[in-house]
Amino acid sequence: AQSVSQHNHHVILSEAASLELGCNYSYGGTVNLFWYVQYPGQHLQLLLKYFSGDPLVKGIKGFEAEFIKSKFSFNLRKPSVQWSDTAEYFCAVNAFDYTDKLIFGTGTRLQVFP
Amino acid sequence: DAGVIQSPRHEVTEMGQEVTLRCKPISGHDYLFWYRQTMMRGLELLIYFNNNVPIDDSGMPEDRFSAKMPNASFSTLKIQPSEPRDSAVYFCASRGLGSYNEQFFGPGTRLTVL
Repeated sequence: AQSVSQHNHHVILSEAASLELGCNYSYGGTVNLFWYVQYPGQHLQLLLKYFSGDPLVKGIKGFEAEFIKSKFSFNLRKPSVQWSDTAEYFCAVNAFDYTDKLIFGTGTRLQVFP
Repeated sequence: DAGVIQSPRHEVTEMGQEVTLRCKPISGHDYLFWYRQTMMRGLELLIYFNNNVPIDDSGMPEDRFSAKMPNASFSTLKIQPSEPRDSAVYFCASRGLGSYNEQFFGPGTRLTVL
């Protein structure tokens, strides 16, 4: 069965610190990859996505993610976080040729302090 | 584009009462997903529809839960009878053809069962 692992459950950073959130998945075929963000009290919003092509994907608000197929990873990065980045971040994977469903990770809660 | 619309935004009810949650997907989207989010279990897929037909309801917790999609612009998730452990935020998401499985989420319904 497909699964998604987000190893960092809770990350605390100061403003201007760099961020990297890990995401690993288990599926050997073609995948579509997503990072969603959920600000406090709000719904999930798409941060960025990877379908094909350049494995380094740039999203909104200065976020980027790199797809490393050999490591089954899709880590999220931001060079300098802001207080407004405080949110929960979800990695999601779709096994493109197998299912219509998105498999979500358990989420990483990011707290940024001024 | 109005996005995915859900109603009500908040629902407080007593144990044993029937609860109906409503969702209007983005116009033209042919997939609709119902999720439940709790602190303990994270984001769970309950059921999804394609062209108004339920495709996978394996995530529906028990017979007290039912979902319908009578037409392309409306879906309901019903809980009868409701129990305190059903308290959660219920999200609806939709997806269109050619979107590489990117899902667009609604604002959610926060359900509290007393």
